[in-house]
Amino acid sequence: QSVLTQPPSVSGAPGQRVTISCTGSRSNIGAGYDVSWYQQLPGTAPKLLIYGNTNRPSGVPDRFSGSGSGTSASLAITGLQAEDEADYYCQSYDSSLSDFVFGTGTKATVL
Amino acid sequence: QITLKESGPTLVKPTQTLTLTCTFSGFSLSTNGVTVGWVRQPPGKALEWLAFIYWNDDRRYKPSLKSRLTITKDTSKNQVVLTVTNMDPVDTATYYCAHGSKTNTNYYFDFWGQGTLVTVSS
Repeated sequence: QSVLTQPPSVSGAPGQRVTISCTGSRSNIGAGYDVSWYQQLPGTAPKLLIYGNTNRPSGVPDRFSGSGSGTSASLAITGLQAEDEADYYCQSYDSSLSDFVFGTGTKATVL
Repeated sequence: QITLKESGPTLVKPTQTLTLTCTFSGFSLSTNGVTVGWVRQPPGKALEWLAFIYWNDDRRYKPSLKSRLTITKDTSKNQVVLTVTNMDPVDTATYYCAHGSKTNTNYYFDFWGQGTLVTVSS
């Protein structure tokens, strides 16, 4: 079981805003280790969406944004589109485990 | 343009050793700050980091698997090799190699290979 907990699923209608939480602890997010976010479309490799908590690589739409506070981080998707239907994972570093940890994953569904 | 591609067996028997090769282009593993990592994903499950190798030949392993993992690099061939000993059916997964970049406090994976599914079965 991962030390970064995400909701199993989120859903929203096209155009709506959804957020995905990533809850950690004082040995990972709470210790100041940066969070990255990945999108995994069905049957494909993960794709980097956010790095350094809030930064988007070139080519990632600005509909995707990252934030964080305390021991948690969040990914927001605004103006939800059908192509956003995918699994999303957060990632950070845990100093107690000496491990680069991924979250449990969240499946986003567009209604 | 950075690309990575994994290669290796699709089927291994329990107790055997798995050897996977990551062949990459668009960067050099002899350049300061560059790293390549391996991540796996069992069917229907979450991603799991396994190992990193750095430009200076430093290596990091997932602590719970450290005794079974070895990561090496061949800079001249632009390849990184991961070996996993004593394979078990629970090691059945898609194995990805990925280029790693660094923030002030962490590494992230900005380019990924397509992945290779390895099944462990007798």
